[in-house]
Amino acid sequence: KNQVEQSPQSLIILEGKNCTLQCNYTVSPFSNLRWYKQDTGRGPVSLTIMTFSENTKSNGRYTATLDADTKQSSLHITASQLSDSASYICVVVPFSGGYNKLIFGAGTRLAVHP
Amino acid sequence: EAQVTQNPRYLITVTGKKLTVTCSQNMNHEYMSWYRQDPGLGLRQIYYSMNVEVTDKGDVPEGYKVSRKEKRNFPLILESPSPNQTSLYFCATWPGEGGTEAFFGQGTRLTVV
Repeated sequence: KNQVEQSPQSLIILEGKNCTLQCNYTVSPFSNLRWYKQDTGRGPVSLTIMTFSENTKSNGRYTATLDADTKQSSLHITASQLSDSASYICVVVPFSGGYNKLIFGAGTRLAVHP
Repeated sequence: EAQVTQNPRYLITVTGKKLTVTCSQNMNHEYMSWYRQDPGLGLRQIYYSMNVEVTDKGDVPEGYKVSRKEKRNFPLILESPSPNQTSLYFCATWPGEGGTEAFFGQGTRLTVV
């Protein structure tokens, strides 16, 4: 079983609409949880990084939330734009002391249509 | 400008022909790592390095080698590529602290026929 599960696998929304992507994880304890945006054929780019003690982190129209008790995180995108079409990846960094590990979810593929 | 540079971006090769994918970073980061990305799966770690001459296996190291002779470079070597190594490969780098941002290269799409 994957340690980081994302839902939905894919999502289509209309330009201007909001959407929320989900991430459930079993990694424990963890150092931080990250959301990345990956355009097709490109490397992931960091959107937010939250430590285990943070509840929310914003980056423009992107807002990530974290509930460490239920081991859930979400990424909310406000007023979507065509350029938001990408895969969004949830990543958990275990509190292993070595910081050599990033555990990736499989991602949610978002398509924003005009 | 912070950069992680991978080469080549695209490569088609034949089974058994040795190849090297290069990765170079200009941020003086200690950590470097290689991942492969396959459809429906998250990025999986192949090898990582915590500093010069220090490397260790990730989750899927079979069929791959790495070296870290200089801090800025971390090449991925496939001694005898096989079709199951057809994938999208990413190099990543980050400083030694856990809460800091990781930077990824642009990716190398490898096809082994």
